[in-house]
Amino acid sequence: EDQVTQSPEALRLQEGESSSLNCSYTVSGLRGLFWYRQDPGKGPEFLFTLYSAGEEKEKERLKATLTKKESFLHITAPKPEDSATYLCAVQADEGAQKLVFGQGTRLTINP
Amino acid sequence: NAGVMQNPRHLVRRRGQEARLRCSPMKGHSHVYWYRQLPEEGLKFMVYLQKENIIDESGMPKERFSAEFPKEGPSILRIQQVVRGDSAAYFCASSPFPTGELFFGEGSRLTVL
Repeated sequence: EDQVTQSPEALRLQEGESSSLNCSYTVSGLRGLFWYRQDPGKGPEFLFTLYSAGEEKEKERLKATLTKKESFLHITAPKPEDSATYLCAVQADEGAQKLVFGQGTRLTINP
Repeated sequence: NAGVMQNPRHLVRRRGQEARLRCSPMKGHSHVYWYRQLPEEGLKFMVYLQKENIIDESGMPKERFSAEFPKEGPSILRIQQVVRGDSAAYFCASSPFPTGELFFGEGSRLTVL
């Protein structure tokens, strides 16, 4: 069964303090790995897609990387507005279009 | 360009009643997905539809739940004879073609008393 595990569950950082969020996955065949951001009371917002090991994507203070077993979301010099829950999801080769989500990392950036 | 519109945003039902959740995809999007987020749990896939067709309903409970996406009008997720365990946030997402890069609505929060 396809599975996604995110760690840590929650992370508190000071503004400007860089860190990384982890997403470990087991999947029969990876079609794509996706990162989303979710603010309280809102729907998830798409951030990145990664397709193969070694791939990296960047957007502002965020950078996502992918290996054969895990993905990292690196956040550099975060600001309070980066506070949100970050979700990782995988799409398997044989799973049609469904995404399997992890439980998320709740990130809080203190000013 | 309006985003994915879901209504109602909040719905309260008593056990045994029916709940109908509506989703209007983004303009030009013909692929709709429903996900459920139970308290303290991650998002779980329920169903994937294209206009007038159910493509994948592998995440739908076998009883009481149904979904449709008619040629005209919004997609509907219908829950009959609701139970307390159905209390959750139900999210709809859409895309212009099959992809994992989805546009999500703000969700419908169902509370069953």
